[in-house]
Amino acid sequence: SQKIEQNSEALNIQEGKTATLTCNYTNYSPAYLQWYRQDPGRGPVFLLLIRENEKEKRKERLKVTFDTTLKQSLFHITASQPADSATYLCALDENTGRRALTFGSGTRLQVQP
Amino acid sequence: DTGVSQNPRHKITKRGQNVTFRCDPISEHNRLYWYRQTLGQGPEFLTYFQNEAQLEKSRLLSDRFSAERPKGSFSTLEIQRTEQGDSAMYLCASSRAGETQYFGPGTRLLVL
Repeated sequence: SQKIEQNSEALNIQEGKTATLTCNYTNYSPAYLQWYRQDPGRGPVFLLLIRENEKEKRKERLKVTFDTTLKQSLFHITASQPADSATYLCALDENTGRRALTFGSGTRLQVQP
Repeated sequence: DTGVSQNPRHKITKRGQNVTFRCDPISEHNRLYWYRQTLGQGPEFLTYFQNEAQLEKSRLLSDRFSAERPKGSFSTLEIQRTEQGDSAMYLCASSRAGETQYFGPGTRLLVL
């Protein structure tokens, strides 16, 4: 069966450290993968998109990697700040002609001051 | 861009009542999506429009749910005869003919 897995346990880190979140998928061959941030009671906010032929993408303190052999994406936040505390969702397209995104259940990040 | 807007932001209703939500996408985005999200889960796809045409519906979209996008701009999602299991956050997203979907703030529905 098709699955997208993100760590269901919250990730607690100290301010200034690098947070690394994992997204694993099975039985998909996505053309691209996206990461979103979601704060409680709000809609997801788009952060980064990485395509299947890209290994790495950066935007300010954010970095995403995409390994289609391992079927895994890693999302890094460097020099983390308490304001980075939120739930982070990975989403992929199923590369089947569908336009919808399929989301993981998200990982909650808590950055301690 | 003024962003995707959704109304109302919150709705409490009694079981069996009908509810309607509205989504105004980013202008010039021809694609519009509805998702549903329950606590602790990621958004789940419900339906998708390209302009005014509804091109795909999820198995989650029972016959009590209907969505429209009459002029290819705003969209409405109606739930008839609401059930307690319909309680969730209903999210709307829009995009150009590309990949990135931009989400609205959502409408939180509570069915008593």
